[in-house]
Amino acid sequence: DVKVTQSSRYLVKRTGEKVFLECVQDMDHENMFWYRQDPGLGLRLIYFSYDVKMKEKGDIPEGYSVSREKKERFSLILESASTNQTSMYLCASSYSGSPFFGPGTRLTVL
Amino acid sequence: QQQVKQSPQSLIVQKGGISIINCAYENTAFDYFPWYQQFPGKGPALLIAIRPDVSEKKEGRFTISFNKSAKQFSLHIMDSQPGDSATYFCAASSNQAGTALIFGKGTTLSVSS
Repeated sequence: DVKVTQSSRYLVKRTGEKVFLECVQDMDHENMFWYRQDPGLGLRLIYFSYDVKMKEKGDIPEGYSVSREKKERFSLILESASTNQTSMYLCASSYSGSPFFGPGTRLTVL
Repeated sequence: QQQVKQSPQSLIVQKGGISIINCAYENTAFDYFPWYQQFPGKGPALLIAIRPDVSEKKEGRFTISFNKSAKQFSLHIMDSQPGDSATYFCAASSNQAGTALIFGKGTTLSVSS
């Protein structure tokens, strides 16, 4: 069964903290993605990766970085969390065609 | 810029009615158009998808209509049920390597019983 797992469902952090969001897929997919979802704005692409150690900026990369050291794992890093990064973060993976999404991490930055 | 425009933002339909959600795109390089369904507390899940070589695709009660010349596509939900109440996203991508899906802003559908 296809599975994308995210390390936390809910996360509360303080402004200025360094935050790691972890995503693991068990489908041997080449491509992995990080989106953020905000009411009225839909899903916006932050970063994606089409191979190990490869990364591409999406539409809103500012304030974020990513790491892909292993094929199955794609991490999103908030170097210094800010309140405007409070959001739902969705990880996804694909081989080709439509990506499969994880359940999301709801991050609150206080 | 917003490459995929989705409307309406919200929709209320009576049980048994037809729900229609529309999307328009700008980039003529797009050649893959999926629709995703998202229930509260869950990640989006692929519902149905179409490529521009066909004008319509049907899966059960769900139909995608595609108009290449107008650069528009729509989702029709026939015989809408309360269990269809969810947020629906259209999306688009091109076949080029290293590209990702671009999503519309979503439509919240409520089917009243």
